[in-house]
Amino acid sequence: DTAVSQTPKYLVTQMGNDKSIKCEQNLGHDTMYWYKQDSKKFLKIMFSYNNKELIINETVPNRFSPKSPDKAHLNLHINSLELGDSAVYFCASSLSGRAGYEQYFGPGTRLTVT
Amino acid sequence: SQQGEEDPQALSIQEGENATMNCSYKTSINNLQWYRQNSGRGLVHLILIRSNEREKHSGRLRVTLDTSKKSSSLLITASRAADTASYFCAQAGTALIFGKGTTLSVSS
Repeated sequence: DTAVSQTPKYLVTQMGNDKSIKCEQNLGHDTMYWYKQDSKKFLKIMFSYNNKELIINETVPNRFSPKSPDKAHLNLHINSLELGDSAVYFCASSLSGRAGYEQYFGPGTRLTVT
Repeated sequence: SQQGEEDPQALSIQEGENATMNCSYKTSINNLQWYRQNSGRGLVHLILIRSNEREKHSGRLRVTLDTSKKSSSLLITASRAADTASYFCAQAGTALIFGKGTTLSVSS
C-alpha cells in the first residue's frame, strides 16, 4: 500500500509549457505539502494545505498554483515553465498542520525543462 | 536564510564503523527531526527529538540535542552498506526547515 504517491515520476517538457503533478495520500492525514529539491539536494517548502486550506505559501513564483480538491489530494500546476524550474518536486503529508509532526514523503517527480 | 547546516557534507566509512553527523540550526524549534533519503527516492522520517529532550535512541540511531548551542547530532552505530544515503536534519517550527544534508557512503 503506497502511503504518498505522485504522478508522474518523470516529466520532461519544453520551456513555456504548462504541466501538472498529482499527489495522493491514503494515510488519512489533514495536511499536505509541496517541496522543491534542487540539484544540490537543497529541500525547500513551497506550499502547505490543511484540510484543503492553504496555510503556507512561501516565496514561489505565481506560475506555481497548488490545488487541493479534497484533503487526500494536492496537485501542483505550473504555468509557462522555465529552465530554472528543473528540479525534483516532493509531495508530503502529516497528521496535523501544527508544528512538528513527522512528514511522510512521496517518491518525487523529476521535472526537466529543456 | 533560516536554513541549518549539516557537517560534514560527505562522510565515507567502512561497514561496522560508527557514523556521526552534526546539524546546526538557526531558529527556535518545537522539535528537531532527522530524515534519510536514498538515491532517487523520497525522504523517510528516522527520529524526532523534542526541544525539552537531550538524547533519544531508536535502534542503531542515537540523536542528541543541545538547544543552547542550537545543534544536534545523529549517530549511526555499526553502519551497514544499506545505510548509504543522504541524511537531513529538519527544524520544526511553523514549518519544517531542512538542512543541506550529509551524504553517507558505507562500503563493505
